[in-house]
Amino acid sequence: EAGVAQSPRYKIIEKRQSVAFWCNPISGHATLYWYQQILGQGPKLLIQFQNNGVVDDSQLPKDRFSAERLKGVDSTLKIQPAKLEDSAVYLCASSSDRFVAFFGQGTRLTVV
Amino acid sequence: QKEVEQDPGPLSVPEGAIVSLNCTYSNSAFQYFMWYRQYSRKGPELLMYTYSSGNKEDGRFTAQVDKSSKYISLFIRDSQPSDSATYLCAMSAGNQGGKLIFGQGTELSVKP
Repeated sequence: EAGVAQSPRYKIIEKRQSVAFWCNPISGHATLYWYQQILGQGPKLLIQFQNNGVVDDSQLPKDRFSAERLKGVDSTLKIQPAKLEDSAVYLCASSSDRFVAFFGQGTRLTVV
Repeated sequence: QKEVEQDPGPLSVPEGAIVSLNCTYSNSAFQYFMWYRQYSRKGPELLMYTYSSGNKEDGRFTAQVDKSSKYISLFIRDSQPSDSATYLCAMSAGNQGGKLIFGQGTELSVKP
């Protein structure tokens, strides 16, 4: 069974630029999560999808972050414009039962 | 007060030692308890998954949940250098669509 795929693995951008991350969950997993992990901290949930719909986006900075999940499969997370404090690892995870999540390798974003 | 508290360490032990990792939490609605292992520059990997109170054993790993004390533990027996990683506890109430709340993570180093 293939795991959660994310791309790119690394990204360096200047502040005020935009960036997008892509995630392909494990086949058949209805729940998809985007987490932000700042160095030395645990992952923080940004947004959770159940199929196409958003279940929780209470901690998503909506003035600059957006996410979509097309056809209930792949998802993209976008930041526009980026700030220095957005430097972090962005993790995508998926789940079949909404309780246990399986993670991708993450995208390491550096904003300079 | 954070919903989930975890001692960030770092924790350094000699090979063969018994390691105890702990988390406390404040939300009595949590019912699903997980431990993830995260190697440097990798995504979190699910180690153990427990529902409600009790113990669960898997090889050298034992997870304990004490809901009355709002306290969970992960024990690693006969620790190996390959166990060196950051260990993250995570919890979910289940009824919120499986929103996972993570602890800060404990960095463990097992010295040969």
